[in-house]
Amino acid sequence: QQQVKQSPQSLIVQKGGISIINCAYENTAFDYFPWYQQFPGKGPALLIAIRPDVSEKKEGRFTISFNKSAKQFSLHIMDSQPGDSATYFCAASTQGGSEKLVFGKGMKLTVNP
Amino acid sequence: DTEVTQTPKHLVMGMTNKKSLKCEQHMGHRAMYWYKQKAKKPPELMFVYSYEKLSINESVPSRFSPECPNSSLLNLHLHALQPEDSALYLCASSQVQGTYEQYFGPGTRLTVT
Repeated sequence: QQQVKQSPQSLIVQKGGISIINCAYENTAFDYFPWYQQFPGKGPALLIAIRPDVSEKKEGRFTISFNKSAKQFSLHIMDSQPGDSATYFCAASTQGGSEKLVFGKGMKLTVNP
Repeated sequence: DTEVTQTPKHLVMGMTNKKSLKCEQHMGHRAMYWYKQKAKKPPELMFVYSYEKLSINESVPSRFSPECPNSSLLNLHLHALQPEDSALYLCASSQVQGTYEQYFGPGTRLTVT
């Protein structure tokens, strides 16, 4: 069954702290793992993505860590800011272009000032 | 430019009405998607168009009818909807081959009365 499990469901951190969101998958055919950020009433925005040939990718304060053997990947948000408060979705898909993105259930992040 | 536009932003319709949602992108993407998103849930794929042809229909009821008139436009025709169809309807686009980044529009908030 194609499924992506995301945890935790919600997270509260203080400004300047590190936010960590974890995802796990079963389908070894997945080869593309994006993270989306969604603010209330808005569409999801692509934040950062990784492919299995690398173990880590960093863009500014956002880092994806990927563990192929464990079939897990995570998003780290360094120096979390109140403006990062949003819902974060991990996702996965298989090679082929217009393939189906399988989403995790999402995590609501609240960053307190 | 990674913009996907959607109109209208909000739509209220009765169960006997016929309405259409519109989506447009000018990124040269040849895959376009319709998603439905309920509150506090991940986006749920409805349809995928690849090179203006319907490639995936996720068993969506016939009261939803997609149309892709050209490579930049995607429509979703609505007829005889039910109150449970009230949701945020998201359009997305991506290149068909090479990269898999899906870019989402801001969505149309649909309320069926």
